[in-house]
Amino acid sequence: QKEVEQNSGPLSVPEGAIASLNCTYSDRGSQSFFWYRQYSGKSPELIMSIYSNGDKEDGRFTAQLNKASQYVSLLIRDSQPSDSATYLCAVCPNDYKLSFGAGTTVTVRA
Amino acid sequence: GAVVSQHPSWVICKSGTSVKIECRSLDFQATTMFWYRQFPKQSLMLMATSNEGSKATYEQGVEKDKFLINHASLTLSTLTVTSAHPEDSSFYICSANSFGQGRTDTQYFGPGTRLTVL
Repeated sequence: QKEVEQNSGPLSVPEGAIASLNCTYSDRGSQSFFWYRQYSGKSPELIMSIYSNGDKEDGRFTAQLNKASQYVSLLIRDSQPSDSATYLCAVCPNDYKLSFGAGTTVTVRA
Repeated sequence: GAVVSQHPSWVICKSGTSVKIECRSLDFQATTMFWYRQFPKQSLMLMATSNEGSKATYEQGVEKDKFLINHASLTLSTLTVTSAHPEDSSFYICSANSFGQGRTDTQYFGPGTRLTVL
């Protein structure tokens, strides 16, 4: 079982819609969770971090964490063409190293 | 805040040569830096963890004699690809923990270095 698994893409959504990205992790002791956005040919850019169960909102992005279910998600509201990218879920089990999911590619159709 | 730079941004070299990549934290001290490699359409692969003033810790399968890492200060880590071969062509990305700026488990990534070995 992979440490971090993301729903397979690509995910295509119309402009203005909500994009929903899911991620599950295997290490129940994980305490830190991150979503990164990576444009093609570029390095990852931190979007959100979340540490407690529940929702965390930042602009059009909402991260949701459920440690009991070992599940973390990212919602992108009012999706824009500029949101088209690969979204990486990352979990920090220990020693500050991150375990990354394979990523979900999102395409926002104008 | 939390800006990480890398130099060079891209490099083309001949097979057998060595290439050095620098990673700098510009506005914070980074006690720990990480080096990743990413092949096209694949996710990030952690190569090694670098701590200031100590030897790097390499992930399984990564040759430490081929990928030399030096973390000489709290703001600079270097990765040297020795005797590079075409199969080493990849996108190399460093990241740093933001020591002293909130949580230390958040990694900020540099812009990456694209290496092409002919």
